[in-house]
Amino acid sequence: NAGVMQNPRHLVRRRGQEARLRCSPMKGHSHVYWYRQLPEEGLKFMVYLQKENIIDESGMPKERFSAEFPKEGPSILRIQQVVRGDSAAYFCASSPPAGGNNEQFFGPGTRLTVL
Amino acid sequence: DAKTTQPTSMDCAEGRAANLPCNHSTISGNEYVYWYRQIHSQGPQYIIHGLKNNETNEMASLIITEDRKSSTLILPHATLRDTAVYYCIVYDSGTYKYIFGTGTRLKVLA
Repeated sequence: NAGVMQNPRHLVRRRGQEARLRCSPMKGHSHVYWYRQLPEEGLKFMVYLQKENIIDESGMPKERFSAEFPKEGPSILRIQQVVRGDSAAYFCASSPPAGGNNEQFFGPGTRLTVL
Repeated sequence: DAKTTQPTSMDCAEGRAANLPCNHSTISGNEYVYWYRQIHSQGPQYIIHGLKNNETNEMASLIITEDRKSSTLILPHATLRDTAVYYCIVYDSGTYKYIFGTGTRLKVLA
């Protein structure tokens, strides 16, 4: 059973370009979470999605950032018109349908560098 | 904001037990305590979680105080590969999201 997969693992963009980060959850998992990690800091929650629905996007900047989790295919985190401050590691996690507790399984991350 | 506080860093001798404390004084009755670790900027790795009772698995033990305001993660025989940042997280099943603090950077020394 493959774990959470993210691609690309490293992404370099120039200021003003678009970045698309992909996340394939574990088999059977219908919940996806995106987190951002700046150097020397802990992970910061961005958005929580279920299939075709955004449940909580309270941690995501209101401009330039968007996320989706379509019925078919991976979850996508999209950053438009990237700026240097977007340089970070972006981690995706997935979990099965929620119960009383909720272990999240993390992917290896995508390291975005904005030149 | 994180609901947990942890020491910034700790050292432990190889082969000895590593005891990592965490304070979560505002935890509520239905919130779980989760522990993850992050080795060298990889994705966080699940270690253990608990609600009220102490828990043990093949990786570690989790001791939760009776008032649930603090907990301790115990790695019984630390190895060099246990060097990592350890995060204590209070999980709110109502919001479904983890709030990470800055964690404890554990260095296991040979």
